[in-house]
Amino acid sequence: DAGVIQSPRHEVTEMGQEVTLRCKPISGHDYLFWYRQTMMRGLELLIYFNNNVPIDDSGMPEDRFSAKMPNASFSTLKIQPSEPRDSAVYFCASSFGSDTQYFGPGTRLTVL
Amino acid sequence: GENVEQHPSTLSVQEGDSAVIKCTYSDSASNYFPWYKQELGKGPQLIIDIRSNVGEKKDQRIAVTLNKTAKHFSLHITETQPEDSAVYFCAAPSRRALTFGSGTRLQVQP
Repeated sequence: DAGVIQSPRHEVTEMGQEVTLRCKPISGHDYLFWYRQTMMRGLELLIYFNNNVPIDDSGMPEDRFSAKMPNASFSTLKIQPSEPRDSAVYFCASSFGSDTQYFGPGTRLTVL
Repeated sequence: GENVEQHPSTLSVQEGDSAVIKCTYSDSASNYFPWYKQELGKGPQLIIDIRSNVGEKKDQRIAVTLNKTAKHFSLHITETQPEDSAVYFCAAPSRRALTFGSGTRLQVQP
């Protein structure tokens, strides 16, 4: 298996633009997680899905952030409009059941 | 929710020495404790985990111990090598996801 796949690996955009991050989980996994990593706040859980259904989005910082999982093999995290404070590395992870999580390589987002 | 504290934040050892990283958690119902290693530019990778029905687990040079009474667990790396240099995270379950510690940057000096 190729592991969790994320795209793009790097994204540079200007404040106010829409940003869409993409994730393909490991085949057969039923949980998908989105995390954000910054020096100041460490690894933060943003939202997670079980069988494509959002279960807990309490970590989503504000309404500018949204996430979808239209099917078992694809998820998106969208930021609209983006702000400089959104600059971070965003990770997607998946698991079978709710314990061992496998992380993707991350997307480094820079908002100018 | 779960609160996980991790110490130290940085750790420098000589090659061949042992390294120990400690974490405490708050939710006594937690029963699964993974450790992740994150190398520069990569996502965290699971290196070892322990469940609450055992007190210790070993995998070659890596071991994890768990004290449920005191609500703490530790990562032990023996005979450290330069390739062990990375950031290590502990985690504990929270709302069926994971809450991560703040990370320990381990530097192994050759």
